Amino acid sequence: NAGVTQTPKFQVLKTGQSMTLQCAQDMNHNSMYWYRQDPGMGLRLIYYSASEGTTDKGEVPNGYNVSRLNKREFSLRLESAAPSQTSVYFCASRTDRDTEAFFGQGTRLTVV
Amino acid sequence: AQSVTQLGSHVSVSEGALVLLRCNYSSSVPPYLFWYVQYPNQGLQLLLKYTSAATLVKGINGFEAEFKKSETSFHLTKPSAHMSDAAEYFCAVTGMDSSYKLIFGSGTRLLVRP
Repeated sequence: NAGVTQTPKFQVLKTGQSMTLQCAQDMNHNSMYWYRQDPGMGLRLIYYSASEGTTDKGEVPNGYNVSRLNKREFSLRLESAAPSQTSVYFCASRTDRDTEAFFGQGTRLTVV
Repeated sequence: AQSVTQLGSHVSVSEGALVLLRCNYSSSVPPYLFWYVQYPNQGLQLLLKYTSAATLVKGINGFEAEFKKSETSFHLTKPSAHMSDAAEYFCAVTGMDSSYKLIFGSGTRLLVRP
């Protein structure tokens, strides 16, 4: 039972390059989320998908796009990476507002 | 809108001492509150949650938290710190819209001294 799987675990990009972070969950959860973690700022929500076929902006969506490919998969795309996007990115999923959210192991992204 | 505030970005205790990590919430309705722990270079793991069933909530690894509506607080405690408790701790609240998103505090890093 894998839970939430993120790929890649580490990535270094040059400014202006693009990349897609992949996330998949095997718990049949409807809701999926992308967060970024920066020192002293906790986790900030980038985008979320409340159900298959829907996506919406979170607190810090600028510079990102997402795709909810199916119920299992939710990808995050950086079209033109900037140094300010250097961060650790976490994907999460849950089924209801009072239930546990499960997190992936994170992607450590450095933009130079 | 729901929010949480964690007082103290760093807390240092001696091994065997009481651990107290503070969290205050802001919510216009009864909240769903969570504490997560993050060990170095890992994802987040649920410690415990409050969903209105009981005000004193027990979690894993000997941690517990008490929901106090009058103080809008949900502080995390452990009677006796262990070296393995050194980690970052996050308080979170569920937003009340249909997204079920978690809103996190800024985190508290716990250091345990031998």
